[in-house]
Amino acid sequence: QQQVKQSPQSLIVQKGGIPIINCAYENTAFDYFPWYQQFPGKGPALLIAIRPDVSEKKEGRFTISFNKSAKQFSLHIMDSQPGDSATYFCAASRGGAQKLVFGQGTRLTINP
Amino acid sequence: KAGVTQTPRYLIKTRGQQVTLSCSPISGHRSVSWYQQTPGQGLQFLFEYFSETQRNKGNFPGRFSGRQFSNSRSEMNVSTLELGDSALYLCASSLGQFSTGELFFGEGSRLTVL
Repeated sequence: QQQVKQSPQSLIVQKGGIPIINCAYENTAFDYFPWYQQFPGKGPALLIAIRPDVSEKKEGRFTISFNKSAKQFSLHIMDSQPGDSATYFCAASRGGAQKLVFGQGTRLTINP
Repeated sequence: KAGVTQTPRYLIKTRGQQVTLSCSPISGHRSVSWYQQTPGQGLQFLFEYFSETQRNKGNFPGRFSGRQFSNSRSEMNVSTLELGDSALYLCASSLGQFSTGELFFGEGSRLTVL
């Protein structure tokens, strides 16, 4: 019930392509779904987040799509750049708690 | 504005020893949480503190403990270290107990247990 499943584990995309990372959750009590970006040697940094009353949210080149009935959400990166190469984590939490349940991560490589 | 500061950044211990890790949150942040990151298990929640009180605890054995001080700084302790405790320990801070959920992570303390 507390799991968040993330796919794919790794992804290689050419510059300018649109990588898509998917996550699925089980606990319908989750009400906050953030995405974090982590570079080697650094801690995760919040990229974008969504709540279940919204089906899509865009911030710059990053878009979250949310499907409440399917209990799935995904991250799309438009016009991807080599600098976007990092590990991306989806997560979920409920009730404003600081306890995030993370997906296993996706190592994204953007080739020039 | 300074970010979340964790010390030490790297440390090596042997099995059976204990370790204390320190975290200074962003100024004004009152909530601190700790996560363990390993290649196999990913990012796992350890505990969360707000106003010196533990608000939430993850599924870790009692060898893992923490505390928060009146200035919001936090420490976590792992006693009787095991090889499997080798990991990156991340501290995160946020504004309040029921904030938006946005956590600001430090760069972590990388613990190696030999």
